[in-house]
Amino acid sequence: GQQLNQSPQSMFIQEGEDVSMNCTSSSIFNTWLWYKQEPGEGPVLLIALYKAGELTSNGRLTAQFGITRKDSFLNISASIPSDVGIYFCAGQLGAGNNRKLIWGLGTSLAVNP
Amino acid sequence: NAGVMQNPRHLVRRRGQEARLRCSPMKGHSHVYWYRQLPEEGLKFMVYLQKENIIDESGMPKERFSAEFPKEGPSILRIQQVVRGDSAAYFCASSHRQMNTEAFFGQGTRLTVV
Repeated sequence: GQQLNQSPQSMFIQEGEDVSMNCTSSSIFNTWLWYKQEPGEGPVLLIALYKAGELTSNGRLTAQFGITRKDSFLNISASIPSDVGIYFCAGQLGAGNNRKLIWGLGTSLAVNP
Repeated sequence: NAGVMQNPRHLVRRRGQEARLRCSPMKGHSHVYWYRQLPEEGLKFMVYLQKENIIDESGMPKERFSAEFPKEGPSILRIQQVVRGDSAAYFCASSHRQMNTEAFFGQGTRLTVV
Protein backbone atom coordinates (compact mmCIF):
# COMPACT_ATOMS: atom_id res chain seq x y z
CA GLY A 1 0.00 0.00 0.00
CA GLN A 2 0.96 3.66 -0.01
CA GLN A 3 3.64 4.69 2.42
CA LEU A 4 5.04 7.88 3.80
CA ASN A 5 8.72 8.01 4.68
CA GLN A 6 9.16 10.36 7.59
CA SER A 7 12.59 11.42 8.80
CA PRO A 8 14.38 11.68 11.02
CA GLN A 9 12.91 9.02 13.25
CA SER A 10 14.04 10.88 16.37
CA MET A 11 15.84 14.06 17.32
CA PHE A 12 17.47 15.22 20.53
CA ILE A 13 18.26 18.93 20.50
CA GLN A 14 19.16 21.82 22.76
CA GLU A 15 16.58 24.42 23.66
CA GLY A 16 16.74 27.30 21.20
CA GLU A 17 17.83 25.21 18.23
CA ASP A 18 15.84 25.01 15.03
CA VAL A 19 14.33 21.68 13.96
CA SER A 20 13.53 20.32 10.53
CA MET A 21 11.69 17.13 9.60
CA ASN A 22 10.21 15.89 6.36
CA CYS A 23 7.99 13.35 4.70
CA THR A 24 8.36 11.87 1.24
CA SER A 25 6.35 9.45 -0.81
CA SER A 26 6.10 7.96 -4.26
CA SER A 27 2.41 8.91 -4.28
CA ILE A 28 0.91 12.28 -5.10
CA PHE A 29 -1.16 13.85 -2.34
CA ASN A 30 -4.01 16.40 -2.37
CA THR A 31 -3.34 17.63 1.13
CA TRP A 32 -0.51 17.42 3.65
CA LEU A 33 -1.12 17.60 7.37
CA TRP A 34 1.22 17.88 10.32
CA TYR A 35 0.13 16.67 13.78
CA LYS A 36 1.77 16.63 17.20
CA GLN A 37 1.11 13.92 19.74
CA GLU A 38 2.09 14.29 23.37
CA PRO A 39 2.38 11.27 25.70
CA GLY A 40 -0.99 9.79 26.59
CA GLU A 41 -2.89 12.10 24.26
CA GLY A 42 -4.37 12.01 20.79
CA PRO A 43 -2.77 13.82 17.83
CA VAL A 44 -3.46 17.53 17.50
CA LEU A 45 -3.47 19.20 14.10
CA LEU A 46 -0.71 21.81 13.75
CA ILE A 47 -0.76 22.82 10.08
CA ALA A 48 -2.77 21.83 7.01
CA LEU A 49 -1.46 22.41 3.47
CA TYR A 50 -3.78 22.31 0.47
CA LYS A 51 -1.79 23.47 -2.57
CA ALA A 52 1.52 22.46 -4.12
CA GLY A 53 4.17 24.99 -3.14
CA GLU A 54 2.11 26.37 -0.26
CA LEU A 55 4.12 27.63 2.70
CA THR A 56 2.20 28.08 5.94
CA SER A 57 3.24 29.22 9.40
CA ASN A 58 1.70 28.69 12.80
CA GLY A 59 3.74 30.59 15.36
CA ARG A 60 7.24 29.10 15.39
CA LEU A 61 6.15 26.30 13.05
CA THR A 62 6.45 26.49 9.29
CA ALA A 63 5.44 23.79 6.83
CA GLN A 64 5.57 23.54 3.06
CA PHE A 65 3.71 21.42 0.51
CA GLY A 66 6.30 20.25 -2.03
CA ILE A 67 5.97 21.31 -5.65
CA THR A 68 5.85 17.69 -6.81
CA ARG A 69 3.05 17.02 -4.25
CA LYS A 70 5.06 14.04 -3.05
CA ASP A 71 6.75 15.64 -0.07
CA SER A 72 6.41 18.12 2.77
CA PHE A 73 8.60 19.51 5.50
CA LEU A 74 7.99 20.99 8.94
CA ASN A 75 10.36 23.42 10.61
CA ILE A 76 10.27 24.50 14.24
CA SER A 77 12.30 27.58 15.08
CA ALA A 78 13.84 28.37 18.48
CA SER A 79 12.66 25.16 20.12
CA ILE A 80 11.41 25.16 23.69
CA PRO A 81 10.87 22.28 26.15
CA SER A 82 7.13 22.10 25.46
CA ASP A 83 7.87 21.21 21.82
CA VAL A 84 8.64 17.70 23.07
CA GLY A 85 6.42 15.08 21.49
CA ILE A 86 5.97 12.98 18.38
CA TYR A 87 5.31 14.81 15.13
CA PHE A 88 3.38 13.00 12.43
CA CYS A 89 2.86 13.89 8.81
CA ALA A 90 -0.22 12.66 7.01
CA GLY A 91 -1.09 12.87 3.35
CA GLN A 92 -4.57 12.78 1.92
CA LEU A 93 -5.12 11.14 -1.45
CA GLY A 94 -8.04 9.96 -3.49
CA ALA A 95 -11.39 11.65 -4.02
CA GLY A 96 -14.96 11.27 -2.85
CA ASN A 97 -15.57 8.19 -0.74
CA ASN A 98 -12.10 6.94 -1.66
CA ARG A 99 -10.31 9.70 0.21
CA LYS A 100 -7.75 8.35 2.67
CA LEU A 101 -5.20 9.69 5.08
CA ILE A 102 -1.82 7.97 4.98
CA TRP A 103 0.36 8.52 8.04
CA GLY A 104 4.11 8.70 8.54
CA LEU A 105 5.66 6.80 11.44
CA GLY A 106 6.50 9.97 13.34
CA THR A 107 9.51 12.00 14.43
CA SER A 108 10.13 11.88 18.15
CA LEU A 109 11.51 15.20 19.41
CA ALA A 110 13.32 15.64 22.71
CA VAL A 111 14.46 19.11 23.83
CA ASN A 112 17.19 19.56 26.40
CA PRO A 113 16.57 22.73 28.46
CA ASN B 1 -18.18 22.46 23.16
CA ALA B 2 -16.69 19.24 24.41
CA GLY B 3 -14.09 17.57 22.23
CA VAL B 4 -14.09 13.98 21.06
CA MET B 5 -14.68 11.80 24.10
CA GLN B 6 -13.38 8.28 24.28
CA ASN B 7 -13.94 5.82 27.08
CA PRO B 8 -12.59 4.05 28.82
CA ARG B 9 -9.12 5.63 28.75
CA HIS B 10 -7.58 2.34 29.81
CA LEU B 11 -9.01 -1.14 29.39
CA VAL B 12 -7.52 -4.43 30.52
CA ARG B 13 -8.91 -7.65 29.13
CA ARG B 14 -7.92 -11.28 29.44
CA ARG B 15 -7.33 -13.26 26.28
CA GLY B 16 -10.65 -14.44 24.85
CA GLN B 17 -12.75 -11.67 26.38
CA GLU B 18 -14.52 -8.93 24.47
CA ALA B 19 -13.41 -5.30 24.38
CA ARG B 20 -15.84 -2.45 23.71
CA LEU B 21 -14.40 0.98 22.99
CA ARG B 22 -16.67 4.01 22.84
CA CYS B 23 -16.32 7.27 21.01
CA SER B 24 -18.61 10.29 21.25
CA PRO B 25 -17.80 12.69 18.40
CA MET B 26 -17.75 16.44 18.73
CA LYS B 27 -21.17 18.05 18.69
CA GLY B 28 -22.38 18.43 15.13
CA HIS B 29 -19.90 15.93 13.69
CA SER B 30 -21.39 13.00 11.81
CA HIS B 31 -18.17 11.39 10.51
CA VAL B 32 -16.11 9.12 12.74
CA TYR B 33 -12.79 7.42 12.09
CA TRP B 34 -11.05 4.76 14.15
CA TYR B 35 -7.27 4.32 14.19
CA ARG B 36 -4.94 1.88 15.92
CA GLN B 37 -1.51 2.85 17.16
CA LEU B 38 1.06 0.30 18.26
CA PRO B 39 3.94 1.40 20.53
CA GLU B 40 6.59 3.39 18.65
CA GLU B 41 4.47 3.37 15.49
CA GLY B 42 2.22 5.72 13.57
CA LEU B 43 -1.52 5.62 13.22
CA LYS B 44 -3.14 2.90 11.15
CA PHE B 45 -6.57 3.61 9.71
CA MET B 46 -9.19 1.02 10.60
CA VAL B 47 -12.66 2.20 9.69
CA TYR B 48 -14.64 5.26 8.64
CA LEU B 49 -18.29 5.57 9.61
CA GLN B 50 -21.06 8.02 9.04
CA LYS B 51 -24.25 7.87 11.07
CA GLU B 52 -25.62 4.31 10.75
CA ASN B 53 -23.29 3.51 7.82
CA ILE B 54 -19.85 2.01 7.41
CA ILE B 55 -18.22 3.93 4.58
CA ASP B 56 -14.75 2.37 4.51
CA GLU B 57 -13.59 -0.59 6.59
CA SER B 58 -10.56 -1.43 4.50
CA GLY B 59 -8.24 -1.15 7.51
CA MET B 60 -10.27 -3.36 9.77
CA PRO B 61 -9.20 -6.98 10.37
CA LYS B 62 -11.79 -9.25 8.80
CA GLU B 63 -12.36 -11.31 11.92
CA ARG B 64 -13.20 -10.39 15.51
CA PHE B 65 -13.37 -6.62 14.83
CA SER B 66 -16.56 -4.67 14.18
CA ALA B 67 -17.65 -1.06 14.39
CA GLU B 68 -20.93 0.78 14.48
CA PHE B 69 -22.15 4.35 14.70
CA PRO B 70 -25.85 4.24 15.55
CA LYS B 71 -28.33 7.03 14.99
CA GLU B 72 -28.28 7.74 18.71
CA GLY B 73 -25.32 7.25 20.98
CA PRO B 74 -21.59 6.85 20.57
CA SER B 75 -19.64 4.93 17.99
CA ILE B 76 -18.50 1.55 19.25
CA LEU B 77 -15.42 -0.42 18.23
CA ARG B 78 -15.86 -4.01 19.32
CA ILE B 79 -13.11 -6.60 19.49
CA GLN B 80 -14.21 -10.14 20.21
CA GLN B 81 -12.00 -12.87 21.66
CA VAL B 82 -9.09 -10.50 22.19
CA VAL B 83 -5.52 -11.71 21.75
CA ARG B 84 -2.26 -10.21 23.02
CA GLY B 85 -1.59 -8.69 19.61
CA ASP B 86 -4.68 -6.51 20.00
CA SER B 87 -2.92 -4.53 22.74
CA ALA B 88 -2.60 -1.00 21.38
CA ALA B 89 -3.93 2.52 21.66
CA TYR B 90 -7.16 3.00 19.73
CA PHE B 91 -7.97 6.53 18.66
CA CYS B 92 -11.21 7.94 17.38
CA ALA B 93 -11.45 11.13 15.33
CA SER B 94 -14.50 13.02 14.14
CA SER B 95 -15.15 15.62 11.51
CA HIS B 96 -17.99 17.74 10.23
CA ARG B 97 -17.51 16.75 6.61
CA GLN B 98 -16.27 13.63 4.90
CA MET B 99 -12.55 13.13 5.43
CA ASN B 100 -12.43 16.74 6.47
CA THR B 101 -8.84 17.54 7.19
CA GLU B 102 -9.92 19.31 10.34
CA ALA B 103 -10.59 16.03 12.10
CA PHE B 104 -10.30 16.17 15.87
CA PHE B 105 -8.92 13.27 17.83
CA GLY B 106 -9.95 11.87 21.18
CA GLN B 107 -7.43 10.97 23.86
CA GLY B 108 -7.56 7.31 22.95
CA THR B 109 -8.29 4.04 24.71
CA ARG B 110 -5.28 2.01 25.72
CA LEU B 111 -6.17 -1.65 25.51
CA THR B 112 -3.99 -4.17 27.30
CA VAL B 113 -4.63 -7.86 26.80
CA VAL B 114 -3.18 -10.07 29.52
